[in-house]
Amino acid sequence: AQKVTQAQTEISVVEKEDVTLDCVYETRDTTYYLFWYKQPPSGELVFLIRRNSFDEQNEISGRYSWNFQKSTSSFNFTITASQVVDSAVYFCALIANDYKLSFGAGTTVTVRA
Amino acid sequence: ETGVTQTPRHLVMGMTNKKSLKCEQHLGHNAMYWYKQSAKKPLELMFVYSLEERVENNSVPSRFSPECPNSSHLFLHLHTLQPEDSALYLCASSQGLISNEQFFGPGTRLTVL
Repeated sequence: AQKVTQAQTEISVVEKEDVTLDCVYETRDTTYYLFWYKQPPSGELVFLIRRNSFDEQNEISGRYSWNFQKSTSSFNFTITASQVVDSAVYFCALIANDYKLSFGAGTTVTVRA
Repeated sequence: ETGVTQTPRHLVMGMTNKKSLKCEQHLGHNAMYWYKQSAKKPLELMFVYSLEERVENNSVPSRFSPECPNSSHLFLHLHTLQPEDSALYLCASSQGLISNEQFFGPGTRLTVL
C-alpha cells in the first residue's frame, strides 16, 4: 500500500514571500507517479504537475517549482513570490501499480496581502 | 462544455430519499472515478471504472451504487444515506489507470439531514 504524508497542516505567509510545501511518500513499487493538485475555495481539484519515478529532474513552471528526491522519498513544492490567488489547499498524491491514487492530507496555504 | 462536469453542485436530502449524482467528462478519457472528501479527512477513493467496467469498489457501503453507462458518463445513486455521508463528492477522469493525471470535476456538496 502507498502512503503520502504532508506534515504541514497550515502555512500562512505574507504576499511575495516564498513558501515550500513538504511531501514524503512511501511505496514498495519501483514504478510510480507523483502529483500535486491545488484545491481553491471553489472546491475543484486542479492538476499542477506529474512526475514519474524515473525522472528526478526538478521542474520550474513560472512561480512554481518542484524538487523530487528519491533518496529521501520526497517531492516538495515551492511557490516563489506568493500571491493572494495562491491561497488554497495543496495535495500531494502518488499512484503505483495498484492504480489507486493516494492523497496526502493536504496543506492549507493562506497568503495575506 | 469542457473538462469534467458534475450535477447538481449542491444537494440536500433526507435519510429516506433517493437521489443521483451525475458526472460527465468531455476529455475522451477511458477511466472514471468517484471520490469522497469529508472535512478533516484525506480524499477517499470510492469507485474506479475502466472502459466502463468497475475495477475497484473500495469497501463502500451498499447505499452508494455507481453506474457507468458509457465512457463519458458516471453516476452515483444514493439511497437511505446517513448524516455522516455528508461530504463533497468528486468525480475524476483519466486516460489509463496509472500513468496519467486525473482531471477532477467541481464536485457535488451533499448534505444529509
